[in-house]
Amino acid sequence: GAVVSQHPSRVICKSGTSVKIECRSLDFQATTMFWYRQFPKKSLMLMATSNEGSKATYEQGVEKDKFLINHASLTLSTLTVTSAHPEDSSFYICSASGQGNNSPLHFGNGTRLTVT
Amino acid sequence: QKEVEQNSGPLSVPEGAIASLNCTYSDRGSQSFFWYRQYSGKSPELIMFIYSNGDKEDGRFTAQLNKASQYVSLLIRDSQPSDSATYLCAAGPGGGADGLTFGKGTHLIIQP
Repeated sequence: GAVVSQHPSRVICKSGTSVKIECRSLDFQATTMFWYRQFPKKSLMLMATSNEGSKATYEQGVEKDKFLINHASLTLSTLTVTSAHPEDSSFYICSASGQGNNSPLHFGNGTRLTVT
Repeated sequence: QKEVEQNSGPLSVPEGAIASLNCTYSDRGSQSFFWYRQYSGKSPELIMFIYSNGDKEDGRFTAQLNKASQYVSLLIRDSQPSDSATYLCAAGPGGGADGLTFGKGTHLIIQP
């Protein structure tokens, strides 16, 4: 099945700093990647849809200037949390589907972000 | 608003028994349904997907879909302690990953 790699798996940063999370599709080209956020014991919440070569589509309530998404190639999307605050501490998970219209979603291993 | 509902549990099942996980969805236009397993602190991993009414079997797992009742379930036969996890149900409008709505998950505990 499709393999999605995410890095780093865990990061601790200070308030006000920025953190970049990388998401790579290892064995397929992903024109679209998805970024989710999950708080403890809560469901996955879609933050944005990352489209290769164009601007990301953000879900309602997600600040595009705070969560910068870049999808510069068919195998790499990045999420940068800018000017991080403690309330941004969460589990961020990227995902992508394989090639074909009926390919299911596969997730990266996730990034546990802690902002102190 | 599109919703996917799951009983949060925990659902406790003895080892070797059948675990039955249920999910309902509000969008009658949903066409694709997915079950993901998520261990604590880990990201979800795909278990099964189903698009057509009826049953779909894969090893110890069987997904069941009833579009008329807007109901999808996952059966796990011969439950093992390693099956203990949170199971997420997701529904989408098409055949792929776009527009998926996730439930909050059911916490399953397999008792040795």
